[in-house]
Amino acid sequence: GAGVSQSPSNKVTEKGKDVELRCDPISGHTALYWYRQRLGQGLEFLIYFQGNSAPDKSGLPSDRFSAERTGESVSTLTIQRTQQEDSAVYLCASSPRDRAGTDTQYFGPGTRLTVL
Amino acid sequence: AQSVTQLDSQVPVFEEAPVELRCNYSSSVSVYLFWYVQYPNQGLQLLLKYLSGSTLVESINGFEAEFNKSQTSFHLRKPSVHISDTAEYFCAVVRHSGGYNKLIFGAGTRLAVHP
Repeated sequence: GAGVSQSPSNKVTEKGKDVELRCDPISGHTALYWYRQRLGQGLEFLIYFQGNSAPDKSGLPSDRFSAERTGESVSTLTIQRTQQEDSAVYLCASSPRDRAGTDTQYFGPGTRLTVL
Repeated sequence: AQSVTQLDSQVPVFEEAPVELRCNYSSSVSVYLFWYVQYPNQGLQLLLKYLSGSTLVESINGFEAEFNKSQTSFHLRKPSVHISDTAEYFCAVVRHSGGYNKLIFGAGTRLAVHP
């Protein structure tokens, strides 16, 4: 079956521009996560959706970052006025329910963002 | 708060040698632990997890990890590695927060298997 997909796979942008990153979770998965992975570092939690509500936005690094989710499907992560330190791979994951935090998370291939 | 420490950022090893990737966690409540693997140019995928029951958990490709409560560890081991095991391995723990839970990942260990 189809896994988690993300688009674009690569994005190069100029400092100060806005970018939108898209995540299509596995159909039926109610939980959706966004992470950031900087070069040589681990995964940094950004935001968690349960359905279309976001009970945990604590990982968003600044107010330039925002995310939305339509129902239990597509999610968009938006970064406004991009800075060079935003350069990273942005990963999306989904899981069936995950209120306990114990469900397996299924990851997409990521979007590699480069801010020049 | 729950956190994860992976003590080795890189582990080089020869093919068919044993390997141990270390993971220590801090948690004051129920512990759920995971190992995820990221093969070159691929997304992360679950390798194995400990939720309850037997403290030794195994994956389908020969890796195993043992939950050790007294040492707060969840080290990953394989008795004989293959070239194809070259990947980055992430340890993770569930953090309980505000009525729901989320995974907290370690910084990762890059396993490089050489012929």
